[in-house]
Amino acid sequence: AQSVTQPDIHITVSEGASLELRCNYSYGATPYLFWYVQSPGQGLQLLLKYFSGDTLVQGIKGFEAEFKRSQSSFNLRKPSVHWSDAAEYFCAPGGANNLFFGTGTRLTVIP
Amino acid sequence: EAGVAQSPRYKIIEKRQSVAFWCNPISGHATLYWYQQILGQGPKLLIQFQNNGVVDDSQLPKDRFSAERLKGVDSTLKIQPAKLEDSAVYLCASSLVAGGSTDTQYFGPGTRLTVL
Repeated sequence: AQSVTQPDIHITVSEGASLELRCNYSYGATPYLFWYVQSPGQGLQLLLKYFSGDTLVQGIKGFEAEFKRSQSSFNLRKPSVHWSDAAEYFCAPGGANNLFFGTGTRLTVIP
Repeated sequence: EAGVAQSPRYKIIEKRQSVAFWCNPISGHATLYWYQQILGQGPKLLIQFQNNGVVDDSQLPKDRFSAERLKGVDSTLKIQPAKLEDSAVYLCASSLVAGGSTDTQYFGPGTRLTVL
């Protein structure tokens, strides 16, 4: 059965600090992997995606994620967080037709 | 390029009433999705259309939910009758090619439904 785990419900970081959001998945085969961000009152926006090839993928807004097959993980990172990064982040493995979203990690950024 | 449009943005109804949500996808996008996002959870796919045909509706509670996509463009999601547990944000998304997770899904702002 498909499942995705985002173990951190809520993370608080200081502006300028580094960030890592964790994502572990269970899937029948190596899925396509996505990270989406949801700001208050706005729709989901794609940050980055992994299909194949280089396991380190770059996304928008300075985010990157690394696919580790042995750990079934696809963690999201950013070296220096900005106040505007405060939002909800969703990891989503995907199959042939649809995405399977995790429960999300809410990021708070303090000055 | 205009994004995915949804209306209304907010809706409050009593249980057992009916409600309908409307979605206009990005022009030219073949695939349209409806998701339900309950507070504190990730979005869950309700139904996926490819042009005006249904690809996947396995998670749609068909006893009360219905959806259609007329002429392969706009779509309407209806709930009749609504229950308290239907309180959620209903998200519409569209993608360019005819299905497939490799294609990027673009999301609308959602409709927040409160059932009292």
